[in-house]
Amino acid sequence: SQTIHQWPATLVQPVGSPLSLECTVEGTSNPNLYWYRQAAGRGLQLLFYSVGIGQISSEVPQNLSASRPQDRQFILSSKKLLLSDSGFYLCAWSFGFGGRGYTFGSGTRLTVV
Amino acid sequence: GQQLNQSPQSMFIQEGEDVSMNCTSSSIFNTWLWYKQDPGEGPVLLIALYKAGELTSNGRLTAQFGITRKDSFLNISASIPSDVGIYFCAGQLLGRAAGGTSYGKLTFGQGTILTVHP
Repeated sequence: SQTIHQWPATLVQPVGSPLSLECTVEGTSNPNLYWYRQAAGRGLQLLFYSVGIGQISSEVPQNLSASRPQDRQFILSSKKLLLSDSGFYLCAWSFGFGGRGYTFGSGTRLTVV
Repeated sequence: GQQLNQSPQSMFIQEGEDVSMNCTSSSIFNTWLWYKQDPGEGPVLLIALYKAGELTSNGRLTAQFGITRKDSFLNISASIPSDVGIYFCAGQLLGRAAGGTSYGKLTFGQGTILTVHP
């Protein structure tokens, strides 16, 4: 069966520090991968998606970037965090076109202080 | 881009009551999905709908894909305390990325926060 791992679960970082959140998927190959941000326990905003190694599409302009160095690894990064980057970050994956919806990781709570 | 309006934003109900929430869109989707999110966790898929007019049940949950393909509702019957959480609708639109790979980008509603009093 497929599993998705996301870490760390919580993170407190000072303004201006770098960020690296990692997500890996097991039990499948060539998944579509996604990074979402959720503010204040409400709506989910799609930040990035990837349909293959090295292929990254950005949905919104922001202070963050994403990379996919391996088939089942998706990384969310920032060179210098802003206060507004605080939030709950969720990684997700889907089979191919995603007709069965997405499967989400357990999330990372990021607090920028 | 696509916009989803989910209502109500929050609900406070007594255990045993039925719950209904819905989503509407300004444009059509190929698929409608309903997720539930427990505090501090990622959303979990409850029901997926693939055809206009489709009515699907999963235990005490029932969801329908609107005929116009622009709306969907979720009903929860005989609510229990563990139904507490945030419920999200999501519309899925099929697309094609550079290179011809298909993807199904989800658009989420803003969520309905459900509180169930014992």
